Amino acid sequence: DAGVIQSPRHEVTEMGQEVTLRCKPISGHNSLFWYRQTMMRGLELLIYFNNNVPIDDSGMPEDRFSAKMPNASFSTLKIQPSEPRDSAVYFCASSLQTGANVLTFGAGSRLTVL
Amino acid sequence: DAKTTQPTSMDCAEGRAANLPCNHSTISGNEYVYWYRQIHSQGPQYIIHGLKNNETNEMASLIITEDRKSSTLILPHATLRDTAVYYCIVRVETSGSRLTFGEGTQLTVNP
Repeated sequence: DAGVIQSPRHEVTEMGQEVTLRCKPISGHNSLFWYRQTMMRGLELLIYFNNNVPIDDSGMPEDRFSAKMPNASFSTLKIQPSEPRDSAVYFCASSLQTGANVLTFGAGSRLTVL
Repeated sequence: DAKTTQPTSMDCAEGRAANLPCNHSTISGNEYVYWYRQIHSQGPQYIIHGLKNNETNEMASLIITEDRKSSTLILPHATLRDTAVYYCIVRVETSGSRLTFGEGTQLTVNP
């Protein structure tokens, strides 16, 4: 398996623009997680899905952030409008819903908002 | 979730064993100890987990004290590629649930 695939790997955009980050989980995994990592706040869980259904979005910072999982093989995290403080590395992870909390992370998407 | 306490940083010589401690004195009976690591600029990577028995896999060994209030992750022969931030997380074994990362321990393996 190719692992969790995220795109783009790097994105530089200007304040106010819409940003869409994409994630393809490991085939057969039915839980998907979006994390954000900054120097100041470390790794923060933004939202997670079980069987394509959002379970906990309490970590989503504000209404500018939204996440969707239209099917088992694809998820998006959208920021509209983007702000400089959204600059961070965004990680997607997936896991099997049965068994232990073993998450497989993608390589991350590094977002820079100017 | 039980709170964990880890040293901020540790150093280890290449080829020697790296022993990373974690305190989790408020752990509940049904909570597991998980270890992940994050090599610079990469996503976190699962290492090992356990409930009360010691565990070993190809990456590391996990030693949990009898009272389960602390644990130690052991990398038996550390290499330069083991330089990373190591996270100790305590969580019930309910997959598909949130996993919260603390600040972890920055392990630096020196040549």
